[in-house]
Amino acid sequence: NAGVTQTPKFQVLKTGQSMTLQCAQDMNHEYMSWYRQDPGMGLRLIHYSVGAGITDQGEVPNGYNVSRSTTEDFPLRLLSAAPSQTSVYFCASSPLHRGQNQPQHFGDGTRLSIL
Amino acid sequence: DAKTTQPNSMESNEEEPVHLPCNHSTISGTDYIHWYRQLPSQGPEYVIHGLTSNVNNRMASLAIAEDRKSSTLILHRATLRDAAVYYCILRELSGGSNYKLTFGKGTLLTVNP
Repeated sequence: NAGVTQTPKFQVLKTGQSMTLQCAQDMNHEYMSWYRQDPGMGLRLIHYSVGAGITDQGEVPNGYNVSRSTTEDFPLRLLSAAPSQTSVYFCASSPLHRGQNQPQHFGDGTRLSIL
Repeated sequence: DAKTTQPNSMESNEEEPVHLPCNHSTISGTDYIHWYRQLPSQGPEYVIHGLTSNVNNRMASLAIAEDRKSSTLILHRATLRDAAVYYCILRELSGGSNYKLTFGKGTLLTVNP
């Protein structure tokens, strides 16, 4: 079972470059989200979506854009990368219809360095 | 979100039980207690959750104090693969669509062979 797949696993960017982090899930989950994790810290929510066409901001949304055109995919875009965005990014998904206590499934992360 | 407090680190020996504590003195009546863990270089993984009663699953047990101000995640026989950061998270069961998980720094569990 693929679960939540994130690509790429590693990326190095220069300041000012743009890129898209990909996230795909094959479990037909309505809820998807993006977190970032900085050294020694817990995960912080960037953006989330409760279904195709619906997105909302999390705790640290500045510098990031998202869209949700299909149930399966939830890409995260960095329009102009900054060194402060160096982090490990995790995508997660869960079903909505069985309530908020459903376990969230996480990908293995994208390790992003901005020089 | 209500706050949780966990020790920064704990150590255990392989094949021995491990009790990971979590304090949540400001928990409300509708907050569920969730545990996730994060193995090195991986994303978080769901472990278990509960409301009032103790819970068991194939991975662990969750013991919840009678006043719900604390809980303990129990790994019955630690293996080297259980070495991870363990996060205790409170989730309010509301009617909204916010499924956010609020992660603290968690407890780093080291398992000695």
